[in-house]
Amino acid sequence: GAGVSQSPSNKVTEKGKDVELRCDPISGHTALYWYRQRLGQGLEFLIYFQGNSAPDKSGLPSDRFSAERTGESVSTLTIQRTQQEDSAVYLCASSLVTSGRIADTQYFGPGTRLTVL
Amino acid sequence: AQKVTQAQTEISVVEKEDVTLDCVYETRDTTYYLFWYKQPPSGELVFLIRRNSFDEQNEISGRYSWNFQKSTSSFNFTITASQVVDSAVYFCAPPPEGSHNKLIFGAGTRLAVHP
Repeated sequence: GAGVSQSPSNKVTEKGKDVELRCDPISGHTALYWYRQRLGQGLEFLIYFQGNSAPDKSGLPSDRFSAERTGESVSTLTIQRTQQEDSAVYLCASSLVTSGRIADTQYFGPGTRLTVL
Repeated sequence: AQKVTQAQTEISVVEKEDVTLDCVYETRDTTYYLFWYKQPPSGELVFLIRRNSFDEQNEISGRYSWNFQKSTSSFNFTITASQVVDSAVYFCAPPPEGSHNKLIFGAGTRLAVHP
């Protein structure tokens, strides 16, 4: 079946503009995650969804970042008033389930490369 | 795990050499999972393995093998007879303590395999 897809693949924006990044998880996956990867670094967790709820938003760096998920499917990460330090690759992942003491395998999309000028 | 350490920042080998990538983690959890991912130059993360803390048997998949040592909190990854296509950044990624809802990533180990 299809993997995780993200759009756009690349986004160049000017400082101060808002951007929306989209993630389509693997069909049937109830858990969805957003990570950020700065150049040459590992991934930083941003937020995770179980269904349409976000029990853990602890990684969102500021109130300029928000995310939502609808229909237990598509998720949108919105960055308002973008800053140059927001430039990074934003990666989305999904997993079949996340509950209790089980860490299910996360499958990643290709990412959106965001460049803020 | 609260922390993961991949001490090797970059490794360079010649094709057909064996190479081991080290991963040491810290956790107070008694039950946990560990993952390895590969990130080739294309950028997409590729899942390699998921291991739970109950199972200390070594695992082999083709040229890949993993050595999990709970006593030393290590989960090392070996590529046998490396190939140029193995060139990538490799991440060992455990969940944080008390949580299975996200993964912790270090900076990874960049492996360059030269012909």
